[in-house]
Amino acid sequence: TQLLEQSPQFLSIQEGENLTVYCNSSSVFSSLQWYRQEPGEGPVLLVTVVTGGEVKKLKRLTFQFGDARKDSSLHITAAQPGDTGLYLCAGFSGGYNKLIFGAGTRLAVHP
Amino acid sequence: GAVVSQHPSWVICKSGTSVKIECRSLDFQATTMFWYRQFPKQSLMLMATSNEGSKATYEQGVEKDKFLINHASLTLSTLTVTSAHPEDSSFYICSASGLAENNEQFFGPGTRLTVL
Repeated sequence: TQLLEQSPQFLSIQEGENLTVYCNSSSVFSSLQWYRQEPGEGPVLLVTVVTGGEVKKLKRLTFQFGDARKDSSLHITAAQPGDTGLYLCAGFSGGYNKLIFGAGTRLAVHP
Repeated sequence: GAVVSQHPSWVICKSGTSVKIECRSLDFQATTMFWYRQFPKQSLMLMATSNEGSKATYEQGVEKDKFLINHASLTLSTLTVTSAHPEDSSFYICSASGLAENNEQFFGPGTRLTVL
């Protein structure tokens, strides 16, 4: 069974600070995705990383896929209160392109 | 972008009753739909995968007789929680794929089920 471990589980920081969230697995994934979910809503896709070593930037968010395609990281620069939410990594597994989600990192950015 | 809707957005029911949740792809044909369950402070757990016109494939530990899934058309899938109990209270989220070449899943806004 492919598992994705995320760390940290919780993160509470002040506005303007930088942070990194990690997503690790012992299995190789063809691609990994990062989602952001707000309370009472479905997750929204932020990015998909496909190639080992790939780096993608989305404004203040930087996503990296490990060379071996077993891990990924999300770095947020100068966090803002609007970044508050649950960040989930997910990888495709098995038939029918099933998505396996990590446990999530709950981020709170205080003004 | 692709839009997926869910109805109702929230429902409260008595223990022992059945509840039906609808998932619709509004602007594309979804060949595959997925149903997830999310308990408070936890991540999404896949319950089942359904392809239009086929029986759903359930994940290990999910009772297929309790969680009935119907995917009768390319734009609609339904999840019926039969004989609901308080422990079934959760946030149920569907997703649909079939639009993007990379099989990207588009998520609905979720349905909050509370069983009294």
